[in-house]
Amino acid sequence: DAKTTQPNSMESNEEEPVHLPCNHSTISGTDYIHWYRQLPSQGPEYVIHGLTSNVNNRMASLAIAEDRKSSTLILHRATLRDAAVYYCILRDRPTGANNLFFGTGTRLTVIP
Amino acid sequence: EPEVTQTPSHQVTQMGQEVILRCVPISNHLYFYWYRQILGQKVEFLVSFYNNEISEKSEIFDDQFSVERPDGSNFTLKIRSTKLEDSAMYFCASKTGGAGQETQYFGPGTRLLVL
Repeated sequence: DAKTTQPNSMESNEEEPVHLPCNHSTISGTDYIHWYRQLPSQGPEYVIHGLTSNVNNRMASLAIAEDRKSSTLILHRATLRDAAVYYCILRDRPTGANNLFFGTGTRLTVIP
Repeated sequence: EPEVTQTPSHQVTQMGQEVILRCVPISNHLYFYWYRQILGQKVEFLVSFYNNEISEKSEIFDDQFSVERPDGSNFTLKIRSTKLEDSAMYFCASKTGGAGQETQYFGPGTRLLVL
């Protein structure tokens, strides 16, 4: 699987937007970009995923660079509940079990 | 909203003992997974299960581990003879299996402590 690189940690003030970057320079044409997060003492939780176009859902937005070598997860208004480790994961086109391989992610701290 | 459940939430066992970790995936899901997370480390894939057989397993999933779906609802992970290094949080996950349906839903985990 192609590798992703994320900053170890980031901080944000509450109610401000947060932009979490992910670099994936060796991404292949069929790799989807997935984001999961892990709140303290909980299991990972799906956030969003995309292939080429930017994506929005109720939790976040995903901005994908035109060359697909990087992407940014955008939380529009950070809340204290958004404090978590955020993982950017590449997975090939959705077939079969498609297991997830987690890196170390970005630990987001939200400051009240 | 349906969710994956796991029991027990905590398990303490002696080294060499067998443990069974239980999971109830979301009812219409077809793919099932176990992951583990050693304290302070990243989440690691163990095994995936589909159509009553293992789809894929990692190097961690050696002969000491087994999985089973004994009935239509439970999905279990058995560790035959626990070692100290098996101490970790174990997460079960499931997903539907429909075309393009890639979201995995994780349970809250079972914290296993091997003494």
